[in-house]
Amino acid sequence: GESVGLHLPTLSVQEGDNSIINCAYSNSASDYFIWYKQESGKGPQFIIDIRSNMDKRQGQRVTVLLNKTVKHLSLQIAATQPGDSAVYFCAEKTGGGNKLTFGTGTQLKVEL
Amino acid sequence: EAGVAQSPRYKIIEKRQSVAFWCNPISGHATLYWYQQILGQGPKLLIQFQNNGVVDDSQLPKDRFSAERLKGVDSTLKIQPAKLEDSAVYLCASTGLAGGQTQYFGPGTRLTVL
Repeated sequence: GESVGLHLPTLSVQEGDNSIINCAYSNSASDYFIWYKQESGKGPQFIIDIRSNMDKRQGQRVTVLLNKTVKHLSLQIAATQPGDSAVYFCAEKTGGGNKLTFGTGTQLKVEL
Repeated sequence: EAGVAQSPRYKIIEKRQSVAFWCNPISGHATLYWYQQILGQGPKLLIQFQNNGVVDDSQLPKDRFSAERLKGVDSTLKIQPAKLEDSAVYLCASTGLAGGQTQYFGPGTRLTVL
């Protein structure tokens, strides 16, 4: 069936380095993608989103890249900080409603 | 602006018991969602409300789960009777407009079924 998945379940980076979290999706009809950050014991927190008519979108220290040819989504975090340690989920929206399908998540660990 | 409120934060029950969770969305948000998040997985949509009407409940196990949003504001999710596999975090989210808007999540209720 259609699904959203992540390549790496755990990513460890040094403080100050850049992080890249990847996500593969299989539903070519998806028109909206979103990244959430979830810290332990908390609900998912919105980071950044992108529509399917865009290839790149930048926020504060974060950039999302969308490659529709290979159905790939990535989240880049610049100058990773200890506070960035969390699980990161990508999610996709398909169709006219607002239903999101989430991937399984990547644990980002920032080492001092 | 206050965020999505949920209660209780934690609940422990025995199998076959019933349990209810409460959610109050961000003020003015017409769309409300309930998700189930099993440990190590991403959230899975259970039900979506638009005001007091159900938009999507295709993944809600209706033999044991029920949800309501009678006045189009706060919502209750109930499980009766609970099974061991219902152990999960139950997340509530809301959006201001239908379609394409960011879903804002509450802190969740962690349910443990023994």
